[in-house]
Amino acid sequence: EVQLLESGGGLVQPGGSLRLSCAASGFTFTRYAMSWVRQAPGKGLEWVSSIGASGGDTYYADSVKGRFTISRDNSETTLYLQMNSLRADDTAFYYCAKDRWSTGSSSSGLDYWGQGTLVTVYS
Amino acid sequence: QSVLTQPPSVSAAPGQKVTISCSGSSSNIGSYFVSWYQQLPGTAPKLLIYDSNMRISGISDRFSASKSGTSAILAITGLQAGDEADYYCGTWDRSLSAGVFGGGTKLTVL
Repeated sequence: EVQLLESGGGLVQPGGSLRLSCAASGFTFTRYAMSWVRQAPGKGLEWVSSIGASGGDTYYADSVKGRFTISRDNSETTLYLQMNSLRADDTAFYYCAKDRWSTGSSSSGLDYWGQGTLVTVYS
Repeated sequence: QSVLTQPPSVSAAPGQKVTISCSGSSSNIGSYFVSWYQQLPGTAPKLLIYDSNMRISGISDRFSASKSGTSAILAITGLQAGDEADYYCGTWDRSLSAGVFGGGTKLTVL
């Protein structure tokens, strides 16, 4: 059974940092790209970032480029999102999701999602 | 503003059919597969359709999808109360080098 378990969310002040983790199990982690998708309370889905299976290709939404860094540890089957210079509009549930393909630029679909971790940026 | 355009809401009676549109451009839908997601209240999104028209295993055949040019459509037949949810389309955008989602459509079963 595929499981994605996010952690690391919490309260942080503007300008602060957080590191999200997503522990993956139940599939061959090294074969699939992974993504982060966020959803502000009461709002729609926003794609944040993706990383290819080998970690060699990474992509970011313009809204987080230069502030967030996606990475993965294939030996630990864990996905990360380092978030720096956080702003109030980064407040959202952050979901980790598995891609159906190995490339970070896939459009095939995200077939498994975690339950999300809440990040709240407050002043 | 979302790169992909969906109607904010649709509604229909139980047993009826509803369609949800997703409009994009040549740099996204026109060049890539489209996926569709269902998000029930308080839960994580769930993939329904991948590669524009392929149902995920276990998803009812009441759900179908198609793509033509720069637009895609999700169709749900035989509507049930349990279909009430938010539905999102998604794809890749070549110009942005980023994934993109539609703004979401809230389905109400009357």
